[in-house]
Amino acid sequence: KAGVTQTPRYLIKTRGQQVTLSCSPISGHRSVSWYQQTPGQGLQFLFEYFSETQRNKGNFPGRFSGRQFSNSRSEMNVSTLELGDSALYLCASARGTSGTGELFFGEGSRLTVL
Amino acid sequence: AQTVTQSQPEMSVQEAETVTLSCTYDTSESDYYLFWYKQPPSRQMILVIRQEAYKQQNATENRFSVNFQKAAKSFSLKISDSQLGDAAMYFCAYRSPNTGNQFYFGTGTSLTVIP
Repeated sequence: KAGVTQTPRYLIKTRGQQVTLSCSPISGHRSVSWYQQTPGQGLQFLFEYFSETQRNKGNFPGRFSGRQFSNSRSEMNVSTLELGDSALYLCASARGTSGTGELFFGEGSRLTVL
Repeated sequence: AQTVTQSQPEMSVQEAETVTLSCTYDTSESDYYLFWYKQPPSRQMILVIRQEAYKQQNATENRFSVNFQKAAKSFSLKISDSQLGDAAMYFCAYRSPNTGNQFYFGTGTSLTVIP
């Protein structure tokens, strides 16, 4: 069974540009969550999508947005990039949205903003 | 918002020995779920162990076990018979029953296993 796939794995952008990251969840998983990982802040929740609807959103500015398609694949977009957006962006999929159901993580997309 | 604290940024253990990683959390909820995740140098996070707050019995998974102290809001991870493959970043995480897959993570503990 294929795991969570994130593309691209690495990318370099300059301030002011925008970026789109993609995530393909495990087959059968309808929930996709996004997390930002930085050395200083650790892992912070961005948002979660379930059946194409955003269920939860973390404390990030409106420059961070996402969507989910009917096949459960998800994209997140960051507009007007800032230096502080440099981070590892992790996508996680899950079958459901409650209990002890685990999150399955991808390897992440490493974004560097120059 | 819930907060999760891991007070040990780095830990080391001799191969075959036992090590305990600490985690405390702050919440006003009575029902919740706790997790330990492992992130090896290749970066993909994987689940190590999980615990429901309403269960008093501590969870175990082979060499991994937890010491869950609900009143103290403590959730430590014990790794027995440490192996070289256990070297990784370990994250403690909290999940509320009301906010879907919004996990709150600690800042992590980097574990080194010494041969």
